Amino acid sequence: DAKTTQPNSMESNEEEPVHLPCNHSTISGTDYIHWYRQLPSQGPEYVIHGLTSNVNNRMASLAIAEDRKSSTLILHRATLRDAAVYYCILRDRNDYKLSFGAGTTVTVRA
Amino acid sequence: DAGVTQSPTHLIKTRGQHVTLRCSPISGHKSVSWYQQVLGQGPQFIFQYYEKEERGRGNFPDRFSARQFPNYSSELNVNALLLGDSALYLCASSLAPTFTDTQYFGPGTRLTVL
Repeated sequence: DAKTTQPNSMESNEEEPVHLPCNHSTISGTDYIHWYRQLPSQGPEYVIHGLTSNVNNRMASLAIAEDRKSSTLILHRATLRDAAVYYCILRDRNDYKLSFGAGTTVTVRA
Repeated sequence: DAGVTQSPTHLIKTRGQHVTLRCSPISGHKSVSWYQQVLGQGPQFIFQYYEKEERGRGNFPDRFSARQFPNYSSELNVNALLLGDSALYLCASSLAPTFTDTQYFGPGTRLTVL
């Protein structure tokens, strides 16, 4: 499994942007970058995924470096509900499972 | 529409016993995956089933087994329980197993082994 590296924790103030980095220096050309998050006492939920181009959806934006060795999940205006563990996951074309690491614990201050 | 449902919510067993956990996928989803999440760690993949056949297995002992039924619901069985099996067991469903599919997770079953 391709590996990702994320900071253990990050803090943010409510209504401010949050930038969550993920390093994946061994990424292959066909690996997709997925982000899931897990709110307290819940199962993980899908956030966003991308291959090469930056992606936007109603939850977040995903900025992918030109060399694809790193990416950043952007929460544009953090709310208290965004406090969760965020997981950056690589999936190749033969990988139907999700390989979770330790993730980044995001704390949002009111 | 109902999301992924799991039963029971909580379960307490003693070492050596057997446990069966159940999962109902989102309507229309034909793929079910099982994950184990030990406290303080990310979920670890156990099994994936699609159209009633095992499509993937994680690094878990043979005490763990699963199956998928014609209505696409699934069971996870664990025999000869060990203290280390205490964890949150998560079920996820998707339309079909692809490397870009979105997996929808249930709330999990909290298993405590005493």
